[in-house]
Amino acid sequence: DAGVIQSPRHEVTEMGQEVTLRCKPISGHNSLFWYRQTMMRGLELLIYFNNNVPIDDSGMPEDRFSAKMPNASFSTLKIQPSEPRDSAVYFCASSLAEKYGYTFGSGTRLTVV
Amino acid sequence: QKEVEQNSGPLSVPEGAIASLNCTYSDRGSQSFFWYRQYSGKSPELIMSIYSNGDKEDGRFTAQLNKASQYVSLLIRDSQPSDSATYLCAVQGQAGTALIFGKGTTLSVSS
Repeated sequence: DAGVIQSPRHEVTEMGQEVTLRCKPISGHNSLFWYRQTMMRGLELLIYFNNNVPIDDSGMPEDRFSAKMPNASFSTLKIQPSEPRDSAVYFCASSLAEKYGYTFGSGTRLTVV
Repeated sequence: QKEVEQNSGPLSVPEGAIASLNCTYSDRGSQSFFWYRQYSGKSPELIMSIYSNGDKEDGRFTAQLNKASQYVSLLIRDSQPSDSATYLCAVQGQAGTALIFGKGTTLSVSS
């Protein structure tokens, strides 16, 4: 199994531009999570999907952030417009069942200048 | 606001010693508890899970849970330099909710 696949690995963009992060979960996993990690705030949940349906989006900072999961094998996290404070590492994770914990992707390091 | 607290460290131990990492959580109804290891520049990887009070051992790792005290710990026996990493405590509240992570404790094992 290839694990959770995220793209791109690194993204540098200018303030105001749209950024799209992509994630392919492990096949068969029915839950998908987007987290953001910074030194100051640690790992914060942005949104989580179960069977492609958003269950908890209370961590999405504001309307500039949106996430979709059109099918079981693909999810996107979009930031529009991006701001320097959005700079962080964004992780996607998937899970087969709660008792098994999560498998994380390699992350996308986003820098907004 | 449900919280998971960890001492940020760094925790420094000599090679071969026991490293003890601690975590407290605020939601008394929490059900599942996990420890993740994260090497610098890498993603978190699951190393232990525990669900009931007491100890759970897996190789050199032992997770301990005390729900009455809302306390989880991870012991690493015979610490190796390769154990040097940040250890994240993660807690699940009610079933169907996502994991809440602590900010992590950085462990440094010197040879």
